[in-house]
Amino acid sequence: AQTVTQSQPEMSVQEAETVTLSCTYDTSESNYYLFWYKQPPSRQMILVIRQEAYKQQNATENRFSVNFQKAAKSFSLKISDSQLGDTAMYFCAFMKHVGGANSKLTFGKGITLSVRP
Amino acid sequence: DTGVSQDPRHKITKRGQNVTFRCDPISEHNRLYWYRQTLGQGPEFLTYFQNEAQLEKSRLLSDRFSAERPKGSFSTLEIQRTEQGDSAMYLCASSLGTGGRVSNEQFFGPGTRLTVL
Repeated sequence: AQTVTQSQPEMSVQEAETVTLSCTYDTSESNYYLFWYKQPPSRQMILVIRQEAYKQQNATENRFSVNFQKAAKSFSLKISDSQLGDTAMYFCAFMKHVGGANSKLTFGKGITLSVRP
Repeated sequence: DTGVSQDPRHKITKRGQNVTFRCDPISEHNRLYWYRQTLGQGPEFLTYFQNEAQLEKSRLLSDRFSAERPKGSFSTLEIQRTEQGDSAMYLCASSLGTGGRVSNEQFFGPGTRLTVL
């Protein structure tokens, strides 16, 4: 079974600053995906960024980037130039790659990020 | 297509009553997932369907829970004899799981918040 650990329950950052959210995971699988999802207050969850485990290059999506350390089973999210709209709960998630199809997500407990004006 | 929709958005019921929730996925998505999220926690997997077939059920899904996707389109999740511990947000997600256009991104609905009194 897979586990995802987010040990920081809350973080706060000043607008325009950079913040890093931590995530570690445990698995015996060799082929999998990692995700960061964002859940704004009272709004639905949306995908921020994804990483395929077989790719060594860290994924980047505009102001969001990851630091994927496969050997250490670490997957942190860096948000640059933080904006007020980044205030949300952020979940790290794991998905086992099953043949050509995807499967269920295993989530961490999440971290509440507050961006201060 | 406006995305994944869920109905109702909120449900308050008394202990022992039955409740049913509906999820309408994105139209071309063949995979549909149900998750449960309690306050301050990450979503936990309940079950998923590929078309009309229920492929996996979590041990969290007791015999009081049943899910269906009769025509491979919308899905229902029924909870019989509700208990206070069933109070949670029930999230539905859909994805394009197999075939030539595989995407591992799961698109989430807004959720149904269940309160059992």
